Amino acid sequence: AQSVTQLGSHVSVSEGALVLLRCNYSSSVPPYLFWYVQYPNQGLQLLLKYTSAATLVKGINGFEAEFKKSETSFHLTKPSAHMSDAAEYFCAVSDRVGQFYFGTGTSLTVIP
Amino acid sequence: NAGVMQNPRHLVRRRGQEARLRCSPMKGHSHVYWYRQLPEEGLKFMVYLQKENIIDESGMPKERFSAEFPKEGPSILRIQQVVRGDSAAYFCASSQQGAFYEQYFGPGTRLTVT
Repeated sequence: AQSVTQLGSHVSVSEGALVLLRCNYSSSVPPYLFWYVQYPNQGLQLLLKYTSAATLVKGINGFEAEFKKSETSFHLTKPSAHMSDAAEYFCAVSDRVGQFYFGTGTSLTVIP
Repeated sequence: NAGVMQNPRHLVRRRGQEARLRCSPMKGHSHVYWYRQLPEEGLKFMVYLQKENIIDESGMPKERFSAEFPKEGPSILRIQQVVRGDSAAYFCASSQQGAFYEQYFGPGTRLTVT
């Protein structure tokens, strides 16, 4: 069975500081992993995805994530936070069938 | 290229009424997925459909909920006899055939049951 754990439901960083959002997964098969961002009252927008190619994945808006099989992790990072990064971030894992399993989300606040 | 369309964006129903949520997938996409997001929670998978077929409905409540994706027209998520606990945001996603991992999400329908 697949599942995702996002550590920290709320994360605050100062503008310009490093953003680190944590995601650990469990999967019975080699996983596909995703990070989505959700702005208030909007749908989910794909930030990046891992589909068994390069373990370091670069996404939109300067975000990247590294797949670490030994740690079953897929943490999301951005070197320098911007005010526009304030949003809800969801990590998701998928097996080969098509169903996505989402974490409970991390709300990112960027402090000026 | 228009994205995934959902309507209505907001829906208010009284307890006992029916709710119909519509989802038009992206052009060229033949797979549709429905998810529910309860307050303070992540998205939970409900059902996965292809045209005229339900592929996986393991996340659907056994009663009152149904989904279809007809040959023509949008996918419909139908909730009969709604209760307060059905209040949530319902998101639809679509993908191309054979690319289930490339799911594109719509803006969601926020259902409020009064």
